[in-house]
Amino acid sequence: NAGVTQTPKFQVLKTGQSMTLQCAQDMNHEYMSWYRQDPGMGLRLIHYSVGAGITDQGEVPNGYNVSRSTTEDFPLRLLSAAPSQTSVYFCASSTLAGPSSGANVLTFGAGSRLTVL
Amino acid sequence: AQKITQTQPGMFVQEKEAVTLDCTYDTSDQSYGLFWYKQPSSGEMIFLIYQGSYDEQNATEGRYSLNFQKARKSANLVISASQLGDSAMYFCAMRENTGFQKLVFGTGTRLLVSP
Repeated sequence: NAGVTQTPKFQVLKTGQSMTLQCAQDMNHEYMSWYRQDPGMGLRLIHYSVGAGITDQGEVPNGYNVSRSTTEDFPLRLLSAAPSQTSVYFCASSTLAGPSSGANVLTFGAGSRLTVL
Repeated sequence: AQKITQTQPGMFVQEKEAVTLDCTYDTSDQSYGLFWYKQPSSGEMIFLIYQGSYDEQNATEGRYSLNFQKARKSANLVISASQLGDSAMYFCAMRENTGFQKLVFGTGTRLLVSP
C-alpha cells in the first residue's frame, strides 16, 4: 500500500536551474494536487488535476508547470528555480466525488523539501 | 473567496487535559466541508476529522471532536485527554462546493503537550 509517493525527498538547486518533482499514486485517484508549505502561511495550492489531460491553476501557480498524462503520475516542474521557491512541497490525491459524499479525504505524500540558493 | 483563520499560533496544554484549537472560516457557499489535519515533526499530513456543512451533529473521531457553529462560521477542534504524541502542528481546511478536494488551509496552530 504505497499510497502517494514523492521523489526526491530533498533537493538543493541553484537559481535558474530546472527540476521536476515527481508524484505517483497507486490508488486510482482521479484528483491530484500540489501544495507548497511555507512557515506561517499554511499550505497553498499550486496546481491540480481532475483527470488525465486536465490540469488547472491553484492559488500560487507562477513559476510552476504541471501535466497529467496518466492517472497515476502528476509531476511538478520548476523551469527556472528562484529562491522564493524554497519550500516544502506536498502532492495529494483523492477520488472524485460530490460534496455530499462525505470526507473523501485527501491522501498526502511525505513531502519534498526544496532549497534554491 | 474562501478563507480559513487560525488565530492561535501556539497552544500549550498539560497531559490528560482537554484543549480547543480555534478555526473560523469565510465562504459564500451553502455546501462545504471542513477538515482538520495534524502534522507531527516528521512532516506528514494526517487527516483527523471532517464536518460537512449540512451535518447536524458535531463530528467525533475518538479523542477528537469538532465544535461546529455554523452561524458563527467556526469549526474548532477539541482534543480530549491530551497525550504527549499530540504535540504537532494542526491545520484547519475547507473545501468549497466542488466535486473534488480543492482545499484551502489555515496557517496552523502549534500544540505542545507537556508532562
